[in-house]
Amino acid sequence: SQQGEEDPQALSIQEGENATMNCSYKTSINNLQWYRQNSGRGLVHLILIRSNEREKHSGRLRVTLDTSKKSSSLLITASRAADTASYFCATDAFQGAQKLVFGQGTRLTINP
Amino acid sequence: AAGVIQSPRHLIKEKRETATLKCYPIPRHDTVYWYQQGPGQDPQFLISFYEKMQSDKGSIPDRFSAQQFSDYHSELNMSSLELGDSALYFCASSLVGTDTQYFGPGTRLTVL
Repeated sequence: SQQGEEDPQALSIQEGENATMNCSYKTSINNLQWYRQNSGRGLVHLILIRSNEREKHSGRLRVTLDTSKKSSSLLITASRAADTASYFCATDAFQGAQKLVFGQGTRLTINP
Repeated sequence: AAGVIQSPRHLIKEKRETATLKCYPIPRHDTVYWYQQGPGQDPQFLISFYEKMQSDKGSIPDRFSAQQFSDYHSELNMSSLELGDSALYFCASSLVGTDTQYFGPGTRLTVL
């Protein structure tokens, strides 16, 4: 990946547990977004956090951003079987380029 | 709410053939992006258009070309197809001044 690492590459947990995925990136950013992808399907936008924000919530999702460490985390609370998917972080470069650079993704499996 | 439309959803071609993928952005969105996602890979940016002009270019082979039309839909033309072109091709759209890119369901291209 051009952007960095996602950690872990795969995560398997029981339904109801919390899932945490981490993302690191290499360059200064304007914002960071998280997307979900069900197997072989489209990318669904989950949440966007700007470079001047440290934490953001949306429903069962909590995203943090640490620009000093160039890292972000996505926490899904009270996981459900329907949360089974791959999760990607994506950044757009600071000042100008809006193209998204994706991380390698975390494959999350929620076991019933 | 209307989403990004891509056609066809699936396409099978032989080596050295030509393929055309179409993308219809969300109404009033003025920017279109194309991404390629190989098997087990993260999406890679190919090219983008803003107001019918190319705005950015990524790792797009010379065999590929794209354009955005007056109605803002975009087409990705791929010639001399190779086995390695087999991938999911996503189109995304956004409105200038906003940062969220909304992705279509993708076109799965298989080159035999």
